[in-house]
Amino acid sequence: AQTVTQSQPEMSVQEAETVTLSCTYDTSESDYYLFWYKQPPSRQMILVIRQEAYKQQNATENRFSVNFQKAAKSFSLKISDSQLGDAAMYFCAYRNNIIQGAQKLVFGQGTRLTINP
Amino acid sequence: NAGVTQTPKFRVLKTGQSMTLLCAQDMNHEYMYWYRQDPGMGLRLIHYSVGEGTTAKGEVPDGYNVSRLKKQNFLLGLESAAPSQTSVYFCASSYEAAGSHEAFFGQGTRLTVV
Repeated sequence: AQTVTQSQPEMSVQEAETVTLSCTYDTSESDYYLFWYKQPPSRQMILVIRQEAYKQQNATENRFSVNFQKAAKSFSLKISDSQLGDAAMYFCAYRNNIIQGAQKLVFGQGTRLTINP
Repeated sequence: NAGVTQTPKFRVLKTGQSMTLLCAQDMNHEYMYWYRQDPGMGLRLIHYSVGEGTTAKGEVPDGYNVSRLKKQNFLLGLESAAPSQTSVYFCASSYEAAGSHEAFFGQGTRLTVV
């Protein structure tokens, strides 16, 4: 079974600074997707960024980027120019790439990010 | 576009009571899921459905039952609530088609069992 580990329960960063959240995963599959979800106090799960395992290039979405190291099974999220609105719980998630069948997500434990003004 | 809607948003139950959580999606998604979120454990899959009339067990199915009588609805039932089922419950849905791989989540239901 696949597992996802986030070893940082809490992180904090000064506004406008850069912060990196860590995620490692374990799988025997070669084709899969990785995701970072943001959960603000409203509880809504918001997709921040996704990475296809077959792509060498790291995904980027505005101030959010990932460092995907497939051999090391590492998938970290970098937030640049941190803003107060980035404060949230962040979840790393894994999903096998299967053509048919349920797209079941496996989540990490979460990292609570605090932004200091 | 409402997306995924969960009912209710909050509920307090006494041990032994039963209840049903309703999830409705208006995106014509084939797949639907129920997760529970507990501190320090992330989200864990309870049950899921790959289509109308079908359900399957996830990682933590004990104490829960589900039904998918209509494509747009996925119900999660607790027959005899226990304090260990105090949690935040999330419903999600997704497309069947390959390459369409984003799961859409409801806003969660906070359930407290006393």
